[in-house]
Amino acid sequence: TQLLEQSPQFLSIQEGENLTVYCNSSSVFSSLQWYRQEPGEGPVLLVTVVTGGEVKKLKRLTFQFGDARKDSSLHITAAQPGDTGLYLCADSPEGYSGNTPLVFGKGTRLSVIA
Amino acid sequence: DTGVSQDPRHKITKRGQNVTFRCDPISEHNRLYWYRQTLGQGPEFLTYFQNEAQLEKSRLLSDRFSAERPKGSFSTLEIQRTEQGDSAMYLCASSTLGGGVYNEQFFGPGTRLTVL
Repeated sequence: TQLLEQSPQFLSIQEGENLTVYCNSSSVFSSLQWYRQEPGEGPVLLVTVVTGGEVKKLKRLTFQFGDARKDSSLHITAAQPGDTGLYLCADSPEGYSGNTPLVFGKGTRLSVIA
Repeated sequence: DTGVSQDPRHKITKRGQNVTFRCDPISEHNRLYWYRQTLGQGPEFLTYFQNEAQLEKSRLLSDRFSAERPKGSFSTLEIQRTEQGDSAMYLCASSTLGGGVYNEQFFGPGTRLTVL
């Protein structure tokens, strides 16, 4: 069974600071997805990465996928209070062509203080 | 709005009662998933459907849990004889067959269940 480990578990920073959160897998990712979840809401997909070494940018968010496809990082530049939420990484263990249910990490809970 | 909707958003019940939750997926999506999320954890897969066919139900937490998608559109999740340990957020997600290339699932806002 694939296990996704996210770190840190909690992070509290001041507005304007930079931060990085991590996701590591016990096995090679099929297709890694990053979600953000706000309190009382469902997760919202931020990005999907598939190719080892891939880097994707979404405004102030930069997503990196490890060359071996077993780890990923999410870097936020100049964090804003609107970035507050639970950041989850997820994978489809049986491969992207299988369209299977997702396995999630426990998430990193980010709080950005104004 | 054409996103995934769930009803109710919140449910408070007494131990031993039955509860039923509804999920309406994005209209053209033929795959529908149910997840459970407890405090401090990521979502945990329960069951999923392709159209009206339930493709996986072995991950349902006990025989008190059941799900249906009778016409391949909306789905219901029922918990019978609720226990305090059933208190959690129940999330529904949908995707197209193949989920695009990368199995992209779209989540609803969830139903928060509290069992007293």
